[in-house]
Amino acid sequence: GAVVSQHPSRVICKSGTSVKIECRSLDFQATTMFWYRQFPKQSLMLMATSNEGSKATYEQGVEKDKFLINHASLTLSTLTVTSAHPEDSSFYICSARSRGGSLYEQYFGPGTRLTVT
Amino acid sequence: RKEVEQDPGPFNVPEGATVAFNCTYSNSASQSFFWYRQDCRKEPKLLMSVYSSGNEDGRFTAQLNRASQYISLLIRDSKLSDSATYLCVVTTGGFKTIFGAGTRLFVKA
Repeated sequence: GAVVSQHPSRVICKSGTSVKIECRSLDFQATTMFWYRQFPKQSLMLMATSNEGSKATYEQGVEKDKFLINHASLTLSTLTVTSAHPEDSSFYICSARSRGGSLYEQYFGPGTRLTVT
Repeated sequence: RKEVEQDPGPFNVPEGATVAFNCTYSNSASQSFFWYRQDCRKEPKLLMSVYSSGNEDGRFTAQLNRASQYISLLIRDSKLSDSATYLCVVTTGGFKTIFGAGTRLFVKA
């Protein structure tokens, strides 16, 4: 199956700093990438959808100035958590939909566990 | 009402048991349906797609009832390795994907 990688897998940062998370599709071109957040014992919550070369579409309640998404190429999307606070501590997961693949199947990255102290 | 609802469980079953999970969705215009499996502190992985005609893959059988807006997953002959959280996933028009909160399964020896 299609492979999606994320980096870093785990990050600890101090309150007020910014953290960048990378999501890469390794063996396919991803026309659309999704960013999710998952708190313990809760479901994945979609944060935003990004299409290559265009601005991301954010879900209601997600601050676009705080969670900066860049989808610069068909294989790379980045999420930057700016001025992180302890309440931003969560499991962030990206997924990608491949060009030419099923319109409804998503391939997930392994996730990034962010801890803000 | 949540757009996708699942019984959170946990379901505790012995090895070899048959277990069934249910999921309901509220949007009658929903177009595609999936079951994902998520292990603790890992990303979700696609288990199988769900079709109106039913879909079987080894010990796993998925069913869709559009009239009742209901999806099911049946696991036969449970293995210890089946222990995980099973996520019901629904895609609506515009390709918006909605995840259920998941049903936790523990299979015990």
